[in-house]
Amino acid sequence: AQSVTQLDSQVPVFEEAPVELRCNYSSSVSVYLFWYVQYPNQGLQLLLKYLSGSTLVKGINGFEAEFNKSQTSFHLRKPSVHISDTAEYFCAVSDGRAALIFGKGTTLSVSS
Amino acid sequence: GAGVSQTPSNKVTEKGKYVELRCDPISGHTALYWYRQSLGQGPEFLIYFQGTGAADDSGLPNDRFFAVRPEGSVSTLKIQRTERGDSAVYLCASSEGGGGADTQYFGPGTRLTVL
Repeated sequence: AQSVTQLDSQVPVFEEAPVELRCNYSSSVSVYLFWYVQYPNQGLQLLLKYLSGSTLVKGINGFEAEFNKSQTSFHLRKPSVHISDTAEYFCAVSDGRAALIFGKGTTLSVSS
Repeated sequence: GAGVSQTPSNKVTEKGKYVELRCDPISGHTALYWYRQSLGQGPEFLIYFQGTGAADDSGLPNDRFFAVRPEGSVSTLKIQRTERGDSAVYLCASSEGGGGADTQYFGPGTRLTVL
């Protein structure tokens, strides 16, 4: 069965600093990969997804992620974070079935 | 347009009681999903509907949990004989088609507390 590991439960950063949130998944023949963000008291919102093709995926709000098949990773990055990026970030994987398998989440805290 | 809505937003019940949680998907979305999110965890898949039928119910934890989608739109998650361990946020999502590549759009969730 698929599994997702988010390597950092909490990431504190200062405003305008770069950030990387790490995600590893268990190996499979082919997978679809997703990053969702959950702001306080709001539903999950898709940031970006990888289906096929270019391994660098660009999403909303200046986020991007790189699919690395050999390392089974899909790390999320942003070159300069804002206070408003403070939220919970979830990495998720699908092996083609409808069900998404989520990681436990990473809390990104941006301070001034 | 309107997103996925869930009612109630909060539900407090006593151990052993029956509860129903409702989900209104985005209009026209044929696929609907239920997830459960416990404190400090990521969402955990429960069940997936394609139209009116449950295409995958492998995530339902036991036979106290049941979900329906009789007309292919609104869905209700039903929990019988609630236990304290059922306390969690129950999330509903919908998507256009239902394949693994589909973007799932999530509602705000129903926070269930079992006393």
